[in-house]
This record gives sequence, structure tokens and C-alpha cells, in this order.
Amino acid sequence: DAKTTQPTSMDCAEGRAANLPCNHSTISGNEYVYWYRQIHSQGPQYIIHGLKNNETNEMASLIITEDRKSSTLILPHATLRDTAVYYCIVRVVGGAAGNKLTFGGGTRVLVKP
Amino acid sequence: KAGVTQTPRYLIKTRGQQVTLSCSPISGHRSVSWYQQTPGQGLQFLFEYFSETQRNKGNFPGRFSGRQFSNSRSEMNVSTLELGDSALYLCASSPLAGVDEQYFGPGTRLTVT
Repeated sequence: DAKTTQPTSMDCAEGRAANLPCNHSTISGNEYVYWYRQIHSQGPQYIIHGLKNNETNEMASLIITEDRKSSTLILPHATLRDTAVYYCIVRVVGGAAGNKLTFGGGTRVLVKP
Repeated sequence: KAGVTQTPRYLIKTRGQQVTLSCSPISGHRSVSWYQQTPGQGLQFLFEYFSETQRNKGNFPGRFSGRQFSNSRSEMNVSTLELGDSALYLCASSPLAGVDEQYFGPGTRLTVT
């Protein structure tokens, strides 16, 4: 799986949009970009995923650059409950890779009132 | 629909003992993966089971093993416990092996003394 690079931490004001960058410059054509988050002492929670098109769901938006070498997770209106560690993961879907997720260090996001 | 459940939630064992952790996936999910989370190494993939077969394995010693039953429930076993095995053990389930997201349980906190 491709390696990802994320900032170690970032702060965000409550009610404002949080933009979380991720670099995955060695991503292959068959690798998807996934985002998970982990709120303190809980299991990781799936947020969103995409291959090359931008994606949006009720939690967030995922913007993938045209060359697919980087992406941005957008939390449109951050709340205090969004304080968590956010992980950007790229993985091959299917085949021998199965469902293995390779977690990096993630970005520790602190939403402040 | 009930989420992923893990038992026990907390466990204290002595060095040299063995331990068995249990994971019940979401109903209908056939893939179960296990992860170890420690402050020093972060989230690391242990292994994945799909339809009672181990499909993928992480870089852990043979003391770590697992199995999956016909009802998709899974157990992992750690023999000859070491102090460094103290960690949060997380289980994740997924319907198949495609793009589907994975759902994580709350984890089992294992402390080895």
C-alpha cells in the first residue's frame, strides 16, 4: 500500500470548516483513498473513500487532486465532537490485499470553542 | 443493526500466560480483521479472516494466532504473553473484500503485568 503523509496536528474553530490534507504521491492506479477517524479510546470510524472523483457524504467531503497524489478531507462545520485523530489510508481493493488497512500516524485534530 | 462487539473489554494477565479475545462481527459480515494499537507503534494489522480462512497476516510473531467460525465470529489468541503485548486490540468487520468500509469494535484493553 502507498505511504501517506499527514500533518501531525491541527486546530480548528468550532463551526468553521476543517481541511485536512494528505499526501500520497506514490499512489497506484488501483488504490483507493480512505479516511477514518478515531475518537479517544474508541475504535476507528469510517468517514469516506474515493478513487479519483470528489466524494461527499453526510459526514464530510473528499477532494482528490487530478493527479491523485494528494487529497483533502473537509469537515464542513466542525463541532467539538469532531476532535479526534484522522487517518488517511490508501489501499488496493480486492485480490490478495483483502481488507488490510495500513494506518500511519494520522492528524490529531482539536476543535476549539 | 447491532455493531461489532468485543469481549472482554478489559483484561489483566500475567507475563507468560495466554489470552483469548473474542469478536462478533456485524450480522452478515464475512470478513473480520484484527489490529493492535499501542502508543509506540500505533495501529498495526494483525490478520484478516474471511469465510473461516486466514486471508492476510501482518508482521507479528507466531504467538499471535486467530480463527474464524462458521458464523463469522472470530477469536484471537496470544500465547506466552510479554509485557509488550499490552495494547488495545481492535476487531473490524466488513461484508466482503471490496471497497466496503470496515466497522470497528470498541476494542479489548489488555494489560500484561
